[in-house]
Amino acid sequence: GAVVSQHPSRVICKSGTSVKIECRSLDFQATTMFWYRQFPKQSLMLMATSNEGSKATYEQGVEKDKFLINHASLTLSTLTVTSAHPEDSSFYICSASRRDRGNYGYTFGSGTRLTVV
Amino acid sequence: SQQGEEDPQALSIQEGENATMNCSYKTSINNLQWYRQNSGRGLVHLILIRSNEREKHSGRLRVTLDTSKKSSSLLITASRAADTASYFCATDDRGKLIFGQGTELSVKP
Repeated sequence: GAVVSQHPSRVICKSGTSVKIECRSLDFQATTMFWYRQFPKQSLMLMATSNEGSKATYEQGVEKDKFLINHASLTLSTLTVTSAHPEDSSFYICSASRRDRGNYGYTFGSGTRLTVV
Repeated sequence: SQQGEEDPQALSIQEGENATMNCSYKTSINNLQWYRQNSGRGLVHLILIRSNEREKHSGRLRVTLDTSKKSSSLLITASRAADTASYFCATDDRGKLIFGQGTELSVKP
């Protein structure tokens, strides 16, 4: 089956530093990758949609200069949280959709718990 | 943006009982999906129901869809302690999955 690998699973960083999270589709080519953010006891909020080779599309209210997304290949997308602050502490989850399954073939990574101290 | 509401927000039942969770959505859909999330983990796809389907089964799961009411329900029969998790519905909005608020299910042994 389709597998999406997300790393790191946990990261603690100091306020003001940047953190990069990777999302890889291991056995399929992902036309589109999605980045979500989830606060404790809450649902997943879509942050942005990235297509291979093009700029990411950000949801309303998400700062594109703070959350840099790069989708350089069909199997890798990265999210960089720049100049992180404690309020950026959250659970970040990526998802990839398969090229040959249309819009409803989504596979999720296992998430990254970011703590900014 | 969130698609809609789920209820209940939290549900606690005994092992062996059935659990029903409801989801409402706002826009027209091609399909609706249900996902499960164990605490602090990623999401696992449970079942997808298309807009032209009214009911679908998968093992102990039963999903219904009422497009006239823009609502769906997930029934887990004969629940087990291992079913303890959060359950989310999600709709496919022009290639983007938008999630409901979720129901936190606790199954006590």
